[in-house]
Amino acid sequence: GAVVSQHPSWVICKSGTSVKIECRSLDFQATTMFWYRQFPKQSLMLMATSNEGSKATYEQGVEKDKFLINHASLTLSTLTVTSAHPEDSSFYICSASSLAGSMNEQFFGPGTRLTVL
Amino acid sequence: AQSVTQLGSHVSVSEGALVLLRCNYSSSVPPYLFWYVQYPNQGLQLLLKYTSAATLVKGINGFEAEFKKSETSFHLTKPSAHMSDAAEYFCAVSTGGGNKLTFGTGTQLKVEL
Repeated sequence: GAVVSQHPSWVICKSGTSVKIECRSLDFQATTMFWYRQFPKQSLMLMATSNEGSKATYEQGVEKDKFLINHASLTLSTLTVTSAHPEDSSFYICSASSLAGSMNEQFFGPGTRLTVL
Repeated sequence: AQSVTQLGSHVSVSEGALVLLRCNYSSSVPPYLFWYVQYPNQGLQLLLKYTSAATLVKGINGFEAEFKKSETSFHLTKPSAHMSDAAEYFCAVSTGGGNKLTFGTGTQLKVEL
């Protein structure tokens, strides 16, 4: 099956610093990548959708300047949390999909636990 | 617009008993429906999906779900629960397989001896 990786799996940073999270599709070309946020014991909330080579589409209420998304290649998307604060602490999960072939689902990464002190 | 309702945020069953997790959806177009499982501090694993083919969908680990258009439901079942089934389960809907997913609030399944 299709494999999606995320790096790092967990990160602790100081308030005010920026953190970059990578999402990679390892064995397929991802035309679309999605970024989700999950608070403890809650569901996944879609933050943004990114298509390779174009600007990300953010969901209502998500700050574009706070959560920078780059989808520079068909196998890599990055989420940068800028000037992180404790309220940004969360579990961030990416997923990837492709228009090619019979792929008709999203494949999820293992998630990144961000803790802002 | 699309939405998903999962009835019961917590479900507890005995090992060997039937598992039934409920999911109702709302979609303005024919939906794609998914069930995912999440273990603590991990990402989501696909259990099964409905993409307009057979209405009874069989997935991994003995799970299955039936798409009932008249009831707008896609309930997840497993005949006999195992301790390893204890996890969080999410139902999700999209308008296309690779399109934006809308998740339900999740159901925590507990399996007791």
